[in-house]
Amino acid sequence: GAVVSQHPSRVICKSGTSVKIECRSLDFQATTMFWYRQFPKQSLMLMATSNEGSKATYEQGVEKDKFLINHASLTLSTLTVTSAHPEDSSFYICSARATGGGRTGELFFGEGSRLTVL
Amino acid sequence: AQKITQTQPGMFVQEKEAVTLDCTYDTSDPSYGLFWYKQPSSGEMIFLIYQGSYDQQNATEGRYSLNFQKARKSANLVISASQLGDSAMYFCAMREGRTGNTPLVFGKGTRLSVIA
Repeated sequence: GAVVSQHPSRVICKSGTSVKIECRSLDFQATTMFWYRQFPKQSLMLMATSNEGSKATYEQGVEKDKFLINHASLTLSTLTVTSAHPEDSSFYICSARATGGGRTGELFFGEGSRLTVL
Repeated sequence: AQKITQTQPGMFVQEKEAVTLDCTYDTSDPSYGLFWYKQPSSGEMIFLIYQGSYDQQNATEGRYSLNFQKARKSANLVISASQLGDSAMYFCAMREGRTGNTPLVFGKGTRLSVIA
């Protein structure tokens, strides 16, 4: 089964509203999680690196005040798209790197969250 | 500069035939890892195969093998005995450094279509 769970898998919202996407590691701890965005027919582009207990590191061109990342525990990181607009419609995917235990170093992807902003 | 280059936007292969998906990479870090992922229409990223920069032998995982040519900086994926279910997007990715705390950088992908 999936070891990284992303929720919701699909979300439709009105322009101007905020949407929260959760990325949860189910059977391992992850001090580092990565958030990617994938526009239709394009590749995955790194948005930010989420570190447990500290501020996220954002890639150039990604607005940190618009894409709020919180990594408050070793198993959960959240991405909040604030004041979403149609151009934010995309597929958002998280990945988590296992730390400790038998899976140290392995990288796992969530199932992705498809955001549609009307 | 592109760190991962996949020059084939789309590929067709006959069922049961083998197919090679090209990937070249660019890095000055002596320690790196190369990955291939399959992404079906559902969007999930399915890990296929991994090659470390210090690995002496080419990686193999079932029907997947990675043709690693370090001097040429290429890491082509070979799928043998193609199946209809292999139709999907395929992404080559690289992670630089030893620690594994760095993110994967992805190529633009190749859409593989397996025809009966």
